[in-house]
Amino acid sequence: GAVVSQHPSWVICKSGTSVKIECRSLDFQATTMFWYRQFPKQSLMLMATSNEGSKATYEQGVEKDKFLINHASLTLSTLTVTSAHPEDSSFYICSASRQGGNQPQHFGDGTRLSIL
Amino acid sequence: GENVEQHPSTLSVQEGDSAVIKCTYSDSASNYFPWYKQELGKRPQLIIDIRSNVGEKKDQRIAVTLNKTAKHFSLHITETQPEDSAVYFCAASPADGGATNKLIFGTGTLLAVQP
Repeated sequence: GAVVSQHPSWVICKSGTSVKIECRSLDFQATTMFWYRQFPKQSLMLMATSNEGSKATYEQGVEKDKFLINHASLTLSTLTVTSAHPEDSSFYICSASRQGGNQPQHFGDGTRLSIL
Repeated sequence: GENVEQHPSTLSVQEGDSAVIKCTYSDSASNYFPWYKQELGKRPQLIIDIRSNVGEKKDQRIAVTLNKTAKHFSLHITETQPEDSAVYFCAASPADGGATNKLIFGTGTLLAVQP
């Protein structure tokens, strides 16, 4: 169990386009999902914590109007990169955890975003 | 807030040798420490985790040790194989993130197992 699906896996689009990435927990309910950004050969940088039915909690330095997060159900969270520019090109990866403290996070396959 | 440091950044070992990766954390209230393995272009996968009420946990060739007093924990891989080659990340759950399962990740260790 604990399968997380992320879609799409690749996105190439023009500058100014908004891009939506979906993260789904397939076989468990995830009250909390997390969105990370990962640069080549670097660690996972937490962008925001997505809580079902409430507003996301953004990490310092992450623009909430740039990276819109919606967690409308216990199995789906979406990240929308609004008006994307080349500097937004990166590997975005989500994770989800079951309810309760100290539960492991289970990761999706990630989305490689390239803005031309 | 929590800060996690990880060493070494790269590690090269011969097949069959052991590999040790070490992490330190700053928040003494942290109580959950998972380790993830990430192969190139793929998702991080949980390989082992430890909670603060135990000092050591083992799963076949993989073991993790935790020293709460010193605030460090280590990953030990014995009898390494080429398929162990990957980037390994340690993580710690800060005290303020316990309910949400928030994790702070280390900077990663690129492990290369030479056949």
